Amino acid sequence: DGGITQSPKYLFRKEGQNVTLSCEQNLNHDAMYWYRQDPGQGLRLIYYSQIVNDFQKGDIAEGYSVSREKKESFPLTVTSAQKNPTAFYLCASSLDRGSNYGYTFGSGTRLTVV
Amino acid sequence: DAKTTQPTSMDCAEGRAANLPCNHSTISGNEYVYWYRQIHSQGPQYIIHGLKNNETNEMASLIITEDRKSSTLILPHATLRDTAVYYCIVRVYGNKLVFGAGTILRVKS
Repeated sequence: DGGITQSPKYLFRKEGQNVTLSCEQNLNHDAMYWYRQDPGQGLRLIYYSQIVNDFQKGDIAEGYSVSREKKESFPLTVTSAQKNPTAFYLCASSLDRGSNYGYTFGSGTRLTVV
Repeated sequence: DAKTTQPTSMDCAEGRAANLPCNHSTISGNEYVYWYRQIHSQGPQYIIHGLKNNETNEMASLIITEDRKSSTLILPHATLRDTAVYYCIVRVYGNKLVFGAGTILRVKS
């Protein structure tokens, strides 16, 4: 079955550490996205990529970094510069930047700073 | 992209139709209306989208007013599994999806 896989489901990080969240899709989608969700709030866009080796900052990119070396993969690194990283992180993909038939989301990674 | 306004929460009896309203009074002619839902601790799920005409699929119906300033998502026979946050989003083709706070729909037995 085609889909989008995020791992791990739960992640704990010590303050001052970098951590990388994985996102893989086998849908042959060109575009991929990272969102952050805080309790009781909507999703906020961190980074997005429309093609391999290219990505753009979203609304809250500070303290995060991404790479897009392969079409299937779009990992997100939460750096020590992100002051409040505890949140639910969602990865999504779409056929192209328009894709009127919507985004496909992963099941999310819940990151907690301990 | 135009902003949307949705009620914070709604209740619906199981088996009845759930009608979720959305106001988008500043929508422009090339903006589509999208609906997604998010069940607790999962990723959002695409439901339906439309431009001018009413749309129906296996999940729901989307009714857009003639002036396009508001729309209603209809779940014809709500079940307990439809309890979720429902997001109404307006966007121009090619722009990124921007999610607001949405409407919490509680389906009760």
